[in-house]
Amino acid sequence: QVTLRESGPALVKPTQTLTLTCTFSGFSLSTSDMCVSWIRQPPGKALEWLARIDWDDDKYYSTSLKTRLTISKDTSRNEVFLTMTNMDPVDTATYYCTRILASRQQIDYWGQGTLVTVSS
Amino acid sequence: DIQMTQSPSSLSASVGDRVTITCRASQSISKYLIWYQQKPGQAPKLLIYSASSLQSGVPSRFSGSGSGTDFTLSISSLQPEDFATYYCQQSYSTAYTFGQGTKLEIK
Repeated sequence: QVTLRESGPALVKPTQTLTLTCTFSGFSLSTSDMCVSWIRQPPGKALEWLARIDWDDDKYYSTSLKTRLTISKDTSRNEVFLTMTNMDPVDTATYYCTRILASRQQIDYWGQGTLVTVSS
Repeated sequence: DIQMTQSPSSLSASVGDRVTITCRASQSISKYLIWYQQKPGQAPKLLIYSASSLQSGVPSRFSGSGSGTDFTLSISSLQPEDFATYYCQQSYSTAYTFGQGTKLEIK
């Protein structure tokens, strides 16, 4: 079955760069139609889509955050990475890794999320 | 970016009630509208895709409708496990956007 798991630091300082890893199983990002996306949710607030990477290495970013984000993948290790530069306390959130089928344009699987706190 | 606006932001209802949540897009998104349910401490769960298609395993008391800019999620007879926060999301544009959420609480 499909599973996704996020990992990375729980605490980062302002101005630092955050790197998160999504490790997944049950599908391959070398298979047509497969995509992985990152979504975040500040405590008590709404969901915000961040970035997506496709099986063919196409990449898409949030308009408001695209200058700070980089998404990449290691297909052989079933991993997707998200880096976010110049972290700020407002970036404190639970970060989710998700799977999308490009043909259906829907998020069908979510990781459990990882809480990242930005504080000095 | 396409803006998604949900209403109401919160709603109190009783078990057995029928409730409706609306979602409006800032431009036409055809039927590229998805509804999720989220309970505290959990990741969202896919309920409805393509505006009106029920995800496998989701109870039939959930239904969705709409196209273009106006959409609704209805729950025909609220059950205790339905009290949660509901989000709409557009997938018309790859710059996906979510509504701000509707918190459904027990009256």
